[in-house]
Amino acid sequence: AQSVTQPDIHITVSEGASLELRCNYSYGATPYLFWYVQSPGQGLQLLLKYFSGDTLVQGIKGFEAEFKRSQSSFNLRKPSVHWSDAAEYFCAVGPTGTASKLTFGTGTRLQVTL
Amino acid sequence: DTAVSQTPKYLVTQMGNDKSIKCEQNLGHDTMYWYKQDSKKFLKIMFSYNNKELIINETVPNRFSPKSPDKAHLNLHINSLELGDSAVYFCASSQRPGASGGRETQYFGPGTRLLVL
Repeated sequence: AQSVTQPDIHITVSEGASLELRCNYSYGATPYLFWYVQSPGQGLQLLLKYFSGDTLVQGIKGFEAEFKRSQSSFNLRKPSVHWSDAAEYFCAVGPTGTASKLTFGTGTRLQVTL
Repeated sequence: DTAVSQTPKYLVTQMGNDKSIKCEQNLGHDTMYWYKQDSKKFLKIMFSYNNKELIINETVPNRFSPKSPDKAHLNLHINSLELGDSAVYFCASSQRPGASGGRETQYFGPGTRLLVL
């Protein structure tokens, strides 16, 4: 069975600083990987996704993520955080061949200080 | 235009009541989902329908009954509400499994915040 771990429950960064949110997965093959963001009181918005190919994936809002098979990781990065990035970030994994059955991590809450 | 919409946005009700949450998508997708997000923000899939047919049914009490009148709508009816049902319920939709070689992306609605008193 697939699983996702987001080791950091809460992260605080200063506006303008760089950001890296960690995501580790457990799956027998290369899974499909996703990052979603949930702003306070809002729904989930897809930031980016990885299916295959280039391991560095670009997403919306200046986010990128890198798939590292050797580390079973799919960390999310942003070079310069904006105050509006404060939100909950979820990593999700879907089994190869069907992204229908997503398993989500427990989320990382990002706080941005001015 | 809202891609995946849910009504109501907030729902406060008493224990033992029966309530429904509605979901509609205008993305032309064949597959729709219900997720539950608990108080610790943990998201877990409950059901999935493909073109009105149930394809995923996780371990959910039978007080929860999804209904799909057509492929653009997936409603969730909950009988005999309990305190533990308090959560945020998210609807999502995607192309049918396999339509994009398995690479279907799920798009989520804004959520329905259910509080059972």
